[in-house]
Amino acid sequence: AQSVTQLDSQVPVFEEAPVELRCNYSSSVSVYLFWYVQYPNQGLQLLLKYLSGSTLVKGINGFEAEFNKSQTSFHLRKPSVHISDTAEYFCAVSPWGAGNMLTFGGGTRLMVKP
Amino acid sequence: DADVTQTPRNRITKTGKRIMLECSQTKGHDRMYWYRQDPGLGLRLIYYSFDVKDINKGEISDGYSVSRQAQAKFSLSLESAIPNQTALYFCATSAVAGGTDTQYFGPGTRLTVL
Repeated sequence: AQSVTQLDSQVPVFEEAPVELRCNYSSSVSVYLFWYVQYPNQGLQLLLKYLSGSTLVKGINGFEAEFNKSQTSFHLRKPSVHISDTAEYFCAVSPWGAGNMLTFGGGTRLMVKP
Repeated sequence: DADVTQTPRNRITKTGKRIMLECSQTKGHDRMYWYRQDPGLGLRLIYYSFDVKDINKGEISDGYSVSRQAQAKFSLSLESAIPNQTALYFCATSAVAGGTDTQYFGPGTRLTVL
């Protein structure tokens, strides 16, 4: 079984400041890793995913994430946030070879202040 | 994502009532999923279907049933709604793949059970 922990339920930050949203996972098998974003009153959309290869993954809207296997982490970063980045962010994992079954973390609400 | 639609978008019902949530997709994907979202818990899988004849229980299927009427349609039913089923419900789809495929989410249905 897999579990995903997002260490911060809310992250307030000022516009143009850098941000890091933390994600740790636990799994007995290798996993693929995902970050999804949910804007207010909308469904989730994929921000980025790590499948294999380079541990630094770049996504949409200037976000990137780094996979750290030894620390079982997949933290999401952006060097300079905008008001429009205000949303809820979900980290998720999918085990290799198990179809496309996602286990989600509890979510982190990013609040960008002017 | 307009390719995945959910109806209704909002529903208020009473304890004991039967209710159906519907999901349609035009992406041509074989796989469809139903999740519920609760604050702090992220998304949890209720049911999933890999094709019209393949339906499987997810993590929290008790109190729910599903019907896959066609490749493009996947309905979720609450046979006798109870207040702790108040949540945001999402439908998602993905193509057949080995766990790497993106899931595409509908806009969600906000269900309130009084």
